[in-house]
Amino acid sequence: GENVEQHPSTLSVQEGDSAVIKCTYSDSASNYFPWYKQELGKRPQLIIDIRSNVGEKKDQRIAVTLNKTAKHFSLHITETQPEDSAVYFCAASLQAGGTSYGKLTFGQGTILTVHP
Amino acid sequence: GAVVSQHPSRVICKSGTSVKIECRSLDFQATTMFWYRQFPKQSLMLMATSNEGSKATYEQGVEKDKFLINHASLTLSTLTVTSAHPEDSSFYICSAERAGDTQYFGPGTRLTVL
Repeated sequence: GENVEQHPSTLSVQEGDSAVIKCTYSDSASNYFPWYKQELGKRPQLIIDIRSNVGEKKDQRIAVTLNKTAKHFSLHITETQPEDSAVYFCAASLQAGGTSYGKLTFGQGTILTVHP
Repeated sequence: GAVVSQHPSRVICKSGTSVKIECRSLDFQATTMFWYRQFPKQSLMLMATSNEGSKATYEQGVEKDKFLINHASLTLSTLTVTSAHPEDSSFYICSAERAGDTQYFGPGTRLTVL
């Protein structure tokens, strides 16, 4: 089955700096890669996602890049703010056809701390 | 849109009792729902995939007789933890998949078994 590795496990930055979190996946057939933000005791919230037919996607301060050949994808957060502090998870799935995105395999998570 | 609720949000029970957790998609129909378990400071581990009107598909290592899943309608899936023991204490999160869209997560249920 799919295996997703996420690094680093913790990341500490100063407010205004950029943060980068990286994930690698094992199954070359995976074609959908979402990123989630989870605050303590709360539900994971989708912040951005990318499909395998796209190399990069950006939404304001957040961007995701995908390298299918190397089987890795990264989350980039620019101009970080204290409210960006949370746990971030990457995930991968195979959308085999039809409408289902398939089951997600999650990375181990990254605890991001943004210091004011 | 795409709101998923879970009930209860917290439950404390005695060892040996059964606990039912409900997951509802409030504003969309979900043919597929997923159940995850999350230990403190760890990632989400998929327990099972629940399809409306059919039997759930359990991940390897998850006891189907321990964690009963029922997906009786397009908006409701339930997870019953049978004969709960302290090691079943965890944060249980469901998600619902909207057709042609990704999964949306419920707020989670904190289960504590004494």
